[in-house]
This record gives sequence, structure tokens and C-alpha cells, in this order.
Amino acid sequence: DAGVIQSPRHEVTEMGQEVTLRCKPISGHNSLFWYRQTMMRGLELLIYFNNNVPIDDSGMPEDRFSAKMPNASFSTLKIQPSEPRDSAVYFCASSAGALNTGELFFGEGSRLTVL
Amino acid sequence: AQSVTQPDIHITVSEGASLELRCNYSYGATPYLFWYVQSPGQGLQLLLKYFSGDTLVQGIKGFEAEFKRSQSSFNLRKPSVHWSDAAEYFCAVVPGGSGGYQKVTFGTGTKLQVIP
Repeated sequence: DAGVIQSPRHEVTEMGQEVTLRCKPISGHNSLFWYRQTMMRGLELLIYFNNNVPIDDSGMPEDRFSAKMPNASFSTLKIQPSEPRDSAVYFCASSAGALNTGELFFGEGSRLTVL
Repeated sequence: AQSVTQPDIHITVSEGASLELRCNYSYGATPYLFWYVQSPGQGLQLLLKYFSGDTLVQGIKGFEAEFKRSQSSFNLRKPSVHWSDAAEYFCAVVPGGSGGYQKVTFGTGTKLQVIP
């Protein structure tokens, strides 16, 4: 079975540009998570969807960040406008079940560099 | 406040030597406990998990972990380390219990270096 698929793997952009990261969760998983990983802050949960509905978005840094899940097989994380401090690796993860039991399947990540 | 602590930021072991990575948590009840591994340039992969029952759990790649309630610990062990085990290891905790959404808390990670 295919794992969690993220694109792009690498993105280099200039400050002020819009960035869109994409994620395809594992088929049949109904929970989807977006995480951000940096050296300074470690792994941070940005947003959690269950059955395509955002359940916890308390980790979204500010209004420049938005996430959508239009269907069970696709999610996007958008940053507009991007800033250098947004440089990080962004991970998408999915899991089965309604409750978050902690068994997460991660994608390989999207490394974002904002110049 | 609930927290997960991995006291060792970096550990170096010789290939073939035994390994123990420490994890301590601060939660009221018995949480769900996990170890994840992250190889360079990759996402995190689940090594093993503890929900209840036998306090010694076996995982993939020859790893095991032991839940010790009295010490609030969930240390990861491997009897003989291979060079391919060089990676970063994350302990993670979910409060557990029943009902409602529960957030995963990840530790800050321990980087493992394996020397010949």
C-alpha cells in the first residue's frame, strides 16, 4: 500500500510569495495531521482533521497559514504571504479512527526555504 | 502541565553495543506511549507502542521498550546496535483514557550516532 504522499519535497521561494503544500493520506485513514519541524521548536502540530473537518487548529501560527481538506484523499497547507521564519520541514501524517491514538503514519515531508 | 522529556539530546554508541534511550513523561493517568524513529530526510516511523497490558513491548527492527509506572518512564532498548540504527528517536505520549480528541505530545528527540 502507498504511504502518505507529500508534494513538493523541496520548495524554495522568496518572501511574500504564496506556498502550497499538498498531502494525500493513506487510503481509509480518516484523520490527517499537519506538523512543522524546526531545530528550534521541534515537532509542532499545526492542524488536525477528522473526516475532512478541522478539529484542532490551535497550532496554526497566524492568519497567513490556512489548511483545507476538500475530500478524504487530499489536503493542502497554504502560506500566504510566506516569511523567512516559515522555513521548516512540513509533515503530513494520517491515522485510522476517530480518536487520536497516536499511531501516526508520516509522509516524507516538504522542506520549505523562504529567502 | 503535561510533558515528555528526553534528557539525552545526542548519544554515541559503538556498533554491536547495547542501547538505551530515556523517556520520562508527566501525566496524571497511564497514557499511551510511543517511540518513533526519523532517518535523515525522512518522516517519522512508528517503532513500537504501549496502550496497556504487558509492560515490555516489542517493536520493529529489534527494538523494545519497557513501561515503568513508578518511574513515569518508557525507555527504548536494543541489545546490539547496527550502523543503520543511526537516526533520531522521538518518544511520544497521548493522554489515553476514553472520549474525545487527544493531542500527541512529542519529546525533543535523541540523535543516535553509531561508530564502527
